[in-house]
Amino acid sequence: AQKITQTQPGMFVQEKEAVTLDCTYDTSDQSYGLFWYKQPSSGEMIFLIYQGSYDEQNATEGRYSLNFQKARKSANLVISASQLGDSAMYFCAMRETKGGKLIFGQGTELSVKP
Amino acid sequence: AAGVIQSPRHLIKEKRETATLKCYPIPRHDTVYWYQQGPGQDPQFLISFYEKMQSDKGSIPDRFSAQQFSDYHSELNMSSLELGDSALYFCASSVSQASETQYFGPGTRLLVL
Repeated sequence: AQKITQTQPGMFVQEKEAVTLDCTYDTSDQSYGLFWYKQPSSGEMIFLIYQGSYDEQNATEGRYSLNFQKARKSANLVISASQLGDSAMYFCAMRETKGGKLIFGQGTELSVKP
Repeated sequence: AAGVIQSPRHLIKEKRETATLKCYPIPRHDTVYWYQQGPGQDPQFLISFYEKMQSDKGSIPDRFSAQQFSDYHSELNMSSLELGDSALYFCASSVSQASETQYFGPGTRLLVL
């Protein structure tokens, strides 16, 4: 069975600094997709970044980058130049190959300090 | 750009009542997923539809049913509501089952009293 693990329940970062949110996964599939979503206190789930298992380059989207280490089964999210608006819950997720449903980790609550 | 639309955004019901949640996917998206997120929890998959047919089923109670209509919108019907059904219900859509990205709607907050 596929599983996502986020071991950091909460993280603090100073404004304008970079922060890494950890995510490890477990799957027996050869082809899979990994995602990061942001959930502010208002509740909506915002797509941030995607990494395919066969992508050789680490995914980047603006200030977000995904540090993908396939052998270690990790897909850490790096946020550069943190902003106050980055304070939110962050979920790592894996897309199940059959059917496409997302399996989420427990989430990491990020707080950006001014 | 058009996003996923969910209605209502907030819903308050009494125990044993019924509720219907609606989801309108992004235009030209043919796949819809429903997730339930309890307080302080991660989202849990309930059910999905592809081209108006149920494609996968997760931990959805028998009291819940769902369908996808000809215009691709989907409805989640919940009967005999229980206190534990209080949660944030998300609908997400994607271009296809094989598509990389699911885009989430704003969610429906259901409170059962």
